[in-house]
Amino acid sequence: EDKVVQSPLSLVVHEGDTVTLNCSYEVTNFRSLLWYKQEKKAPTFLFMLTSSGIEKKSGRLSSILDKKELFSILNITATQTGDSAVYLCAVRANTGNQFYFGTGTSLTVIP
Amino acid sequence: NAGVTQTPKFRILKIGQSMTLQCTQDMNHNYMYWYRQDPGMGLKLIYYSVGAGITDKGEVPNGYNVSRSTTEDFPLRLELAAPSQTSVYFCASRWDRLNTEAFFGQGTRLTVV
Repeated sequence: EDKVVQSPLSLVVHEGDTVTLNCSYEVTNFRSLLWYKQEKKAPTFLFMLTSSGIEKKSGRLSSILDKKELFSILNITATQTGDSAVYLCAVRANTGNQFYFGTGTSLTVIP
Repeated sequence: NAGVTQTPKFRILKIGQSMTLQCTQDMNHNYMYWYRQDPGMGLKLIYYSVGAGITDKGEVPNGYNVSRSTTEDFPLRLELAAPSQTSVYFCASRWDRLNTEAFFGQGTRLTVV
């Protein structure tokens, strides 16, 4: 059965800390892995990863994929209160048109 | 561009009532999806569509129906609402190129009492 597992489930840090969020997957015929940030409403897209070892970076956020070990990490450096959100990982397979979502990691950044 | 628009934003239904959640997108995306999100759980796929006239079941289709008569619209129908259908519903769409992300609507919070 295809599945995506995220850890930790929740995390509380202080502003300025660095955090690492994990996503492991077991999906047949992997095509891509996506990270989304969900605040109060709709998930918003952060990164899409298709190749191992190539880091995607956007400001203080970065992500990398390891297709051999079947996981990805999302790093956030110098966290700010605005980073507080649920971070969702989704994996898309080559077959079918579905995205398999993890349960998310709830990040709370306190001043 | 409005992107993906869902209506209504909130709704309370009584057990056994029916309703349609509307979803429309103006990006000419062929692929559209309906998800439900329960507290502490990930997004579960209800139904999806790869183009007008084509729909398929996802992980949790029971109790729901969909139609796709146009590229823009993908309504989700609940025929006999049950408390287990209390959830937040998200509609999403994406282009049909190889690697594209999904764009989400703002969600519909449905409570069945």
